[in-house]
Amino acid sequence: NAGVTQTPKFQVLKTGQSMTLQCAQDMNHEYMSWYRQDPGMGLRLIHYSVGAGITDQGEVPNGYNVSRSTTEDFPLRLLSAAPSQTSVYFCASSYEAGGPTDTQYFGPGTRLTVL
Amino acid sequence: KNQVEQSPQSLIILEGKNCTLQCNYTVSPFSNLRWYKQDTGRGPVSLTIMTFSENTKSNGRYTATLDADTKQSSLHITASQLSDSASYICVVSANNAGNMLTFGGGTRLMVKP
Repeated sequence: NAGVTQTPKFQVLKTGQSMTLQCAQDMNHEYMSWYRQDPGMGLRLIHYSVGAGITDQGEVPNGYNVSRSTTEDFPLRLLSAAPSQTSVYFCASSYEAGGPTDTQYFGPGTRLTVL
Repeated sequence: KNQVEQSPQSLIILEGKNCTLQCNYTVSPFSNLRWYKQDTGRGPVSLTIMTFSENTKSNGRYTATLDADTKQSSLHITASQLSDSASYICVVSANNAGNMLTFGGGTRLMVKP
């Protein structure tokens, strides 16, 4: 049981490049989400999914796309990287979305730098 | 706008001492409040989850309290250890569609020998 895995751990992009951050979980969780964490700020929700085939926007969705073709995988795509997207990205999963007894499990993070 | 404010932003204590971290929130309607521990370079890990009806919950040397009337929570760490050095994040879940989580900025704790 690996929990939530993310790849890559580090990535450097040039402005305008595109890439996909991978996230997978093996706990059969329906709810998955992507956050970005910037210095001095709380984690901010980018996109989330309540199940395969269903995605929705969070607080800061611009510049990012997601899809959820399987329960296990929830990739995050940067369409045209910008320096403002330099951040640490966390994927998380839980049985349900923020319910009273629901524990959210986070991946180890991807540190992205856009030059 | 839903907000979660934490204080202090950073804290240094000596090993073996106790400390208390504070969290104030303005999330409505309230569903539950969580405390997470985030080690440097790692993802957050859940410590406690409290609902409206709970005013205290413990996890080993960590004890969280909740006052839903004043919308305040605290995390008390007893007999601190070097491994407690981390950021502690307060997160509040709203009881609405999607049960959106609002994250505080965290308190960075350093425990020195």
